[in-house]
Amino acid sequence: EPEVTQTPSHQVTQMGQEVILRCVPISNHLYFYWYRQILGQKVEFLVSFYNNEISEKSEIFDDQFSVERPDGSNFTLKIRSTKLEDSAMYFCASSKEDRVRNQPQHFGDGTRLSIL
Amino acid sequence: AQKITQTQPGMFVQEKEAVTLDCTYDTSDPSYGLFWYKQPSSGEMIFLIYQGSYDQQNATEGRYSLNFQKARKSANLVISASQLGDSAMYFCAMREVYGGATNKLIFGTGTLLAVQP
Repeated sequence: EPEVTQTPSHQVTQMGQEVILRCVPISNHLYFYWYRQILGQKVEFLVSFYNNEISEKSEIFDDQFSVERPDGSNFTLKIRSTKLEDSAMYFCASSKEDRVRNQPQHFGDGTRLSIL
Repeated sequence: AQKITQTQPGMFVQEKEAVTLDCTYDTSDPSYGLFWYKQPSSGEMIFLIYQGSYDQQNATEGRYSLNFQKARKSANLVISASQLGDSAMYFCAMREVYGGATNKLIFGTGTLLAVQP
């Protein structure tokens, strides 16, 4: 069964450094998402992306964050200048065309980001 | 106000027994979807089951079923014949569809299920 893949599985970065998290969504999916989960807390929506542009973003997704689909397969999340509070598990997800509303979002295994 | 409420932080169940994980939601949108995800200790998020607000029947998917009570705004997950591999965190999530304007999922705080042999 096709799946969403994320790399790396774990990223350790110094505070203030830039980090790029990578995702390969399921190939026939059109909607892409990033979520994050701070340790022990619930999953929070960051951003959704469709047709090569952001369709929605949360308050968490400030100017330090950006997303890009540089080619036909990858979907990246960049954090420009990391802060300690950015430490979390970051999940990429994708879904098919959403006119049919029962399309689930399929999640990758996540990237655990640790900021030192 | 919490959009998704999971009141059980932790649950125990004996292997082969059935267990119900509670989820209540709050929305004024007439069109919405409810999802359950499983998160094992390894961290990945696994989609289990979906219920649409206009669906006439409760969703079922193998050993998973949804007890959907629209008037009470509850969408409880029922796992039948529990297995040791069912031990995980379970998240209830909702997608509100304001005329198709949003696809984001809103998650509850989760319920940690431990299946005992």
